[in-house]
Amino acid sequence: QKEVEQDPGPLSVPEGAIVSLNCTYSNSAFQYFMWYRQYSRKGPELLMYTYSSGNKEDGRFTAQVDKSSKYISLFIRDSQPSDSATYLCAMLTQGGSEKLVFGKGTKLTVNP
Amino acid sequence: EAGVTQFPSHSVIEKGQTVTLRCDPISGHDNLYWYRRVMGKEIKFLLHFVKESKQDESGMPNNRFLAERTGGTYSTLKVQPAELEDSGVYFCASSRDRGETQYFGPGTRLLVL
Repeated sequence: QKEVEQDPGPLSVPEGAIVSLNCTYSNSAFQYFMWYRQYSRKGPELLMYTYSSGNKEDGRFTAQVDKSSKYISLFIRDSQPSDSATYLCAMLTQGGSEKLVFGKGTKLTVNP
Repeated sequence: EAGVTQFPSHSVIEKGQTVTLRCDPISGHDNLYWYRRVMGKEIKFLLHFVKESKQDESGMPNNRFLAERTGGTYSTLKVQPAELEDSGVYFCASSRDRGETQYFGPGTRLLVL
């Protein structure tokens, strides 16, 4: 069983739609949960960072962590064509290794 | 502030040859990481330097891979001899301190024929 599962999509939505991206994980030691955005031919760029459970909001983006279900989500409101990218979830244990454990990434296209 | 840079951006080599990838972290970042993405798979951790010391090299696939960070500045990742399964995108990332954001470079796309 992979440590982190993420549906690779692709996901195509019209401009203005609400997008929901999700990951599940199996390692209960994960405490830090991140969403990275990766544009074509670029490196991953940190978008959202959450510690333990709960919600975090930043503009049009909301990250949710449900540790009881081992499930994390990223919501994008009022999606824009510029949001078209691959979104990767990544996780980290606390006090242990600094290695990020990534999902495969979901490719999102927002159509104008 | 310049971001993480990697060189070359692309490399095409034949099986059995040697390739050396270079990463220049953000200035002042003591932590440097190498990751790799093989086609169709997730990005996977290779190793972590703190300054010039290897903190964690648990992700290095085998002894054909050698990473160095002499002087605690830039790092090189050498693959010798390269095999077909080494093809992929090699990312470097850096962070100032433990637990801080890892900033990624654009990656080196390696193709072994």
